[in-house]
Amino acid sequence: EVQLLESGGGLVQPGGSLRLSCAASGFTFSTYAMNWVRQIPGKGLEWVSAVRGTGASTYYADSVNGRFTISRDNSKNTLYLEMNYLRAEDTALYYCAKGRGELPGHALDIWGQGTMVTVSS
Amino acid sequence: QSVLTQPPSVSAAPGQKVTISCSGSSSNIGNNYVSWYQQLPGTAPKLLIYDNNKRPSGIPDRFSGSKSGTSATLGITGLQTGDEADYYCGTWDSSLSTGPVVFGGGTKLTV
Repeated sequence: EVQLLESGGGLVQPGGSLRLSCAASGFTFSTYAMNWVRQIPGKGLEWVSAVRGTGASTYYADSVNGRFTISRDNSKNTLYLEMNYLRAEDTALYYCAKGRGELPGHALDIWGQGTMVTVSS
Repeated sequence: QSVLTQPPSVSAAPGQKVTISCSGSSSNIGNNYVSWYQQLPGTAPKLLIYDNNKRPSGIPDRFSGSKSGTSATLGITGLQTGDEADYYCGTWDSSLSTGPVVFGGGTKLTV
């Protein structure tokens, strides 16, 4: 069964850091781009970041560029999101999502259940 | 404010048909594939349509997608109460002023 399982969310103070993980199973992980998408409860989807299947290229939304770093370990079938200098507006449910191709830009066909990040003092 | 524009809400009776529009520009919808996602209450989004009009395995043919110019449309026929959800369009955007992946603001469907 194709599955994505996020972890690492929690409560962090403004200016703090957090590392999210997404464990993948059921497909050839290195073949597909992976994405992070976030959603403030009750609001719409906001794409955050993506990485190519090879890990060679990364992409970021303007709102997180310079603060967040996406990476992947294809030997462990795991995707990461390192989040630094967190702000209150980063509070959201963070989803890990698989792309349909090796390059970002394809549809997101598998989504995890999400991990909640709350930035508050 | 989202790069892709969707109506905030649509409604129709059970058994009827509804369409949801998604409007963009030449930097996104006009030159890239569109996908559609369904988000049932309290759950993660689910891919409904990819590459403008293709359905993943397991998605019933009551759901359809189309694209014309810089706009895309999701159609749902034979509406069921279980179709009540939020629907989002998404695509790639080559403009330097946005992130490369963009979503619409979402449309709440009431059946």
